[in-house]
Amino acid sequence: KQEVTQIPAALSVPEGENLVLNCSFTDSAIYNLQWFRQDPGKGLTSLLLIQSSQREQTSGRLNASLDKSSGRSTLYIAASQPGDSATYLCAVKNSSASKIIFGSGTRLSIRP
Amino acid sequence: SAVISQKPSRDICQRGTSLTIQCQVDSQVTMMFWYRQQPGQSLTLIATANQGSEATYESGFVIDKFPISRPNLTFSTLTVSNMSPEDSSIYLCSVEFPSGRYQETQYFGPGTRLLVL
Repeated sequence: KQEVTQIPAALSVPEGENLVLNCSFTDSAIYNLQWFRQDPGKGLTSLLLIQSSQREQTSGRLNASLDKSSGRSTLYIAASQPGDSATYLCAVKNSSASKIIFGSGTRLSIRP
Repeated sequence: SAVISQKPSRDICQRGTSLTIQCQVDSQVTMMFWYRQQPGQSLTLIATANQGSEATYESGFVIDKFPISRPNLTFSTLTVSNMSPEDSSIYLCSVEFPSGRYQETQYFGPGTRLLVL
């Protein structure tokens, strides 16, 4: 049974710092992995999706990496801004027709 | 990206009543999903809404409590029946496009925030 873990549960850093959020999964036979952002009381915004054959994806100040063999993914945020404050969720899909399984999220706070 | 809307955005309901949440997508999709997010928790899949067939429910969720309709490829409803305070959550619908379009990314609606008194 696939389990997805995100550490830390919460993170607070000053504005301008680069930071890394971690996601680990127990079954390395994944189909893809997706990172989402959720603002308080809101829905989810898709940030990046990495297919199982890919090692990383980049969008603006965000870079997500995937190491299937070790069951890990990281989301790197460069030059953090207060507007980056949100909860970041990673989600794993095991096969093309299966549901996605979410981690518990990292609540990120960027201090001005 | 897909545009997904949900109605209502929020509601306060009395226990024992039912609420139907609507999800509308701006393009045709094969797969639509309904999730629940309880306060301070991550997302839990309730069911997969299949067009033209019965919804597929996850363990712990039953059709009598969460009936789902999927009349066409752009619309679905989730009903939360006989509500209790434990049903207070954010309910989110999501869609997935087939391979080759948006790379099978899942897109989420803005959510429906439900409080049951």
